Parts: sequence; structure tokens; C-alpha cells
Amino acid sequence: AQTVTQSQPEMSVQEAETVTLSCTYDTSESNYYLFWYKQPPSRQMILVIRQEAYKQQNATENRFSVNFQKAAKSFSLKISDSQLGDTAMYFCAFMKQDNAGNMLTFGGGTRLMVKP
Amino acid sequence: EADIYQTPRYLVIGTGKKITLECSQTMGHDKMYWYQQDPGMELHLIHYSYGVNSTEKGDLSSESTVSRIRTEHFPLTLESARPSHTSQYLCASSTPPDTQYFGPGTRLTVL
Repeated sequence: AQTVTQSQPEMSVQEAETVTLSCTYDTSESNYYLFWYKQPPSRQMILVIRQEAYKQQNATENRFSVNFQKAAKSFSLKISDSQLGDTAMYFCAFMKQDNAGNMLTFGGGTRLMVKP
Repeated sequence: EADIYQTPRYLVIGTGKKITLECSQTMGHDKMYWYQQDPGMELHLIHYSYGVNSTEKGDLSSESTVSRIRTEHFPLTLESARPSHTSQYLCASSTPPDTQYFGPGTRLTVL
């Protein structure tokens, strides 16, 4: 079984600054995907970024980038030039790469507050 | 990005009522999921489906039931709602190989 741990329940950052959210996971699988989802106050779950474990290059989506350390089983999210609209719960998630149900295992979430 | 719809968005009902939460997607995704999100924000998989006529229970035991008669439709039913069912319910769908896309959620309150 996989576990995902987000050790920071809450974080805050000033607008325009950079913040990094931590995520570690435990698995015996070698092929898998990792995700960061964002859940703003509207409660809609929105995909932020995705990383395939077989890719060494860190994924990037505009102001969002990850630091994927496979050997350390670490998958942190960096948000650059933070904006007020980035205020949300952020969930790290793991998915085993197989032909079954594409099940997601979520971490407990980090609540990020961007301050003006 | 997938188009996934959930209705109602908010529901307040009394104990003992039967309710159905609707979930539809227009992308033709085979796999669909229901998650329950408690007040502490943790997400728990309660049901999933590989396709039409396929339904499976998830990690968290739930008194709800689901059906999958059409690819695009994956409703969740509670025969007799109780206050312990008060939660946010999120529906998602995916297409191989990986990414799940979520609907806007239904916030259920049982009085």
C-alpha cells in the first residue's frame, strides 16, 4: 500500500513571493504518477501539475514547478510569484501505473494562504 | 480538461430521506470515482467504476450505493440519510493512462 505525507498543515506567503510545499510518499512500485491538486474555497478540485516517475525532468506549468527526487521519494511543489488566487488547500497524490483503476492516494493537504 | 457535472451543488435534508447525487461527464471516460471529503479535508475513495455495469467499493466503507448504466452517468444514492453522512462528495473521471478530473462537488448536510 502507498502512503502520502504532507508535513505542513498550513503555510502562508506574501503576494509575489515564492513558496514550496512538501510531499513525501512511500511505495515499492517503480512506475507511478504524482500529482498536485488545488482546492480553492469553492471546493472544486483542480489539477495543478503532473509528474511521471520515469521522467527525470521536473514538470513545470507556468508559475508552478516540482522538485521530484525519486530516490528520496519526495515531490515538492514550488509556486513562484504567488498570487491571491493561489490561496487554497493543496493536495499531493500518488497513482500506481497499471491497467487497473488508476486509484489516487491523497496526502492530508496543506492549507496555503497568500497575503497581500 | 474534462467536463464533469455534479448536481445538486448544495443539499440540506432531514434524517431518513432518500437522496441521489448526480454525476455526469461528457468526455467518454471509462473510469469514474466517488470521493467523500470530511470536514478535516481528507479525501476517501468510496466507490469506483471501470465502465458500464461495473461498480466497486473503495477504501472507505460507505452506506451509499452507485450504479453505472451509461458511460457518462455515475449517480450515488443514500437510501436513508443520517447526520453522519454530512460531507462533501466529489465525483471524478479518468481516461488511461492516468489523470483524474474532478467535478465541482456536492456539499451535503443532513439535519
